[in-house]
Amino acid sequence: TQLLEQSPQFLSIQEGENLTVYCNSSSVFSSLQWYRQEPGEGPVLLVTVVTGGEVKKLKRLTFQFGDARKDSSLHITAAQPGDTGLYLCAVNTGNQFYFGTGTSLTVIP
Amino acid sequence: EPEVTQTPSHQVTQMGQEVILRCVPISNHLYFYWYRQILGQKVEFLVSFYNNEISEKSEIFDDQFSVERPDGSNFTLKIRSTKLEDSAMYFCASSVETGTGELFFGEGSRLTVL
Repeated sequence: TQLLEQSPQFLSIQEGENLTVYCNSSSVFSSLQWYRQEPGEGPVLLVTVVTGGEVKKLKRLTFQFGDARKDSSLHITAAQPGDTGLYLCAVNTGNQFYFGTGTSLTVIP
Repeated sequence: EPEVTQTPSHQVTQMGQEVILRCVPISNHLYFYWYRQILGQKVEFLVSFYNNEISEKSEIFDDQFSVERPDGSNFTLKIRSTKLEDSAMYFCASSVETGTGELFFGEGSRLTVL
């Protein structure tokens, strides 16, 4: 059993479409992070959410932390080819950052 | 902009050989990590390091693995006797703080074991 399950695992959409990816757990976390990883590079932090129910926006990306702080979603509006990459949620479990299973997004021009 | 640098970018080695992967974390960071990612799979935690000692290690980080910060700037991962299944991308990361702190990753070292 994975601590952080992400869905869907793979997503291929046309440019301009909207999408939502999910990060779910049965555990409660004090905070949760989203990273994006492009091919051949390391993950890069997009956002940290801390408060249950919190919504943060980063241009066309909207992040929400669940009320119970067990899950999170990332919504992308009008996806662009530059959004292509692996989206990872992560939580700090003391002395490590634990990463979710990842959603691989491909945006087709 | 400060960045985490890793060398080599790609190393090919024979099974059973020793490999050392090197990392220079961001200079004012205090927490250091190694992760690995097998092609197409998730980012897996190997080890965290703080105050010159290992804070936590995963089941993957067995006796064949070791880490060192020999000179206050470099942070190295040594695999003593490589196996085929050690083939992966190895990422070094550092952070100023734990908790909600941001992890800064290097570009990775691709290890291929033949």
